[in-house]
Order: sequence, then structure tokens, then C-alpha cells
Amino acid sequence: SSELTQDPAVSVALGQTVRITCQGDSLRSYYASWYQQKPGQAPVLVIYGKNNRPSGIPDRFSGSSSGNTASLTITGAQAEDEADYYCNSRDSSGNQVVFGGGTKLTVL
Amino acid sequence: QVQLQESGPGLVKPSQTLSLTCTVSGGSISSGGYYWSWIRQHPGKGLEWIGYIYYSGSTYYNPSLKSLVTISVDTSKNQFSLKLSSVTAADTAVYYCARGVRAGWVYYFDYWGQGTLVTVSS
Repeated sequence: SSELTQDPAVSVALGQTVRITCQGDSLRSYYASWYQQKPGQAPVLVIYGKNNRPSGIPDRFSGSSSGNTASLTITGAQAEDEADYYCNSRDSSGNQVVFGGGTKLTVL
Repeated sequence: QVQLQESGPGLVKPSQTLSLTCTVSGGSISSGGYYWSWIRQHPGKGLEWIGYIYYSGSTYYNPSLKSLVTISVDTSKNQFSLKLSSVTAADTAVYYCARGVRAGWVYYFDYWGQGTLVTVSS
């Protein structure tokens, strides 16, 4: 079982804002990172750390954190944002790596 | 631009050892600062971290797999490898290699291989 918990599925209307959350005790100490995965493709890093976007990731993607919950927000969701999203962090020990179970985002 | 590429058999028999290699290009494993990782994804499921190795040879493994996993590095070939012993059908998955970055209070994977499907079947 994962130490990071995500909602299995979330939907958003085209152009609207959606928040995908990730909960876990380790997030009180460590930041989450977020990955987008489309069918048949490898995951792509979209947010890391406090709120950092790798080069090439649109600025509609942002990250935040409060207590034991990290959030990925997509402001003005596009059709191409429909994908699975995973969070990851270090575990409470600091040496292991954990992933959330993933959230399937549907853009309506 | 760093690139990672997995290679190895796509079919492994039950009870045998799964062996995969990840070749890194566009950057040197020996430069340090990164944690060279293996991650797998069972069909239709989420991501599972298997473990990582530092260029010095230090390793950390997922506790649930620790007794079966060995990750090694060959800096002369700029490659790192995964061995998973005594495989069963439950080890059928897409296996990814990735570069891990550990910076203060964050850990993330910034480059990934394309993934390789390994099927365990007789």
C-alpha cells in the first residue's frame, strides 16, 4: 500500500480550474513532486519542490502544500491535460521513495 | 539533453531472474548528484519505486522488494542495471529507469526512459 493517497479520478470542464491532491504524513516534512502520464507513455515531471516547473511545462500547472496535503492545480485545463497524475515524495524515513496511487483526470 | 534507454529480455520464465540495463546518454553517471532509479508499473496500475543507486555504488531498495532486488552500476559504460530474482507473474510490468534528484526537502525524477514491458510467463 502507498504512503501517499490520491483520489482515483477527478474531472474538470474544459477551461476550468482543477486541483488534484496528495495526502501523506511524509508531506509534513518533504515536498511532493508531480508527474503526468498519458497512455502508452513514460511519466513526465510537471511540478517539483515548493512550486517549480521544468522547462517546457505550461504555467497553468502549479503546486502547493499545506500540512500533510500537497496539491497540483491546473488553471484553465486543456484537452491535452487529460492524463493520469502521480505524486511522489521521500517517505518519513527520508531514504525511501513513495508514489501516490495516481489520479485519472478527465477533461469534459 | 539526458536520455535513458532500457534494454533486456521482454519475456522471462517464472522463478528465473529478470535482468535489465539502463544506458544513460547526454550526461555522466559518474558526475554524481543523482540517484539512478528503477520504477515499475503493473498493467493498468500505478507507479512502484523499486530502488536506486548512487554512482558510488550506494543503494536503497523498496523494503517490499529488498530481498529480491539488486541494482548495480557500471560507470565505464555509463549504465546501471536491475536484477530481480525468483520472478512470478506478479512481476509482469513496464519497467522504467529514471534519474532521481534529491535536493533538500524534495525528491523527484526529471528524466525517464521510455519503459520496457517485461512479461513473466512460461
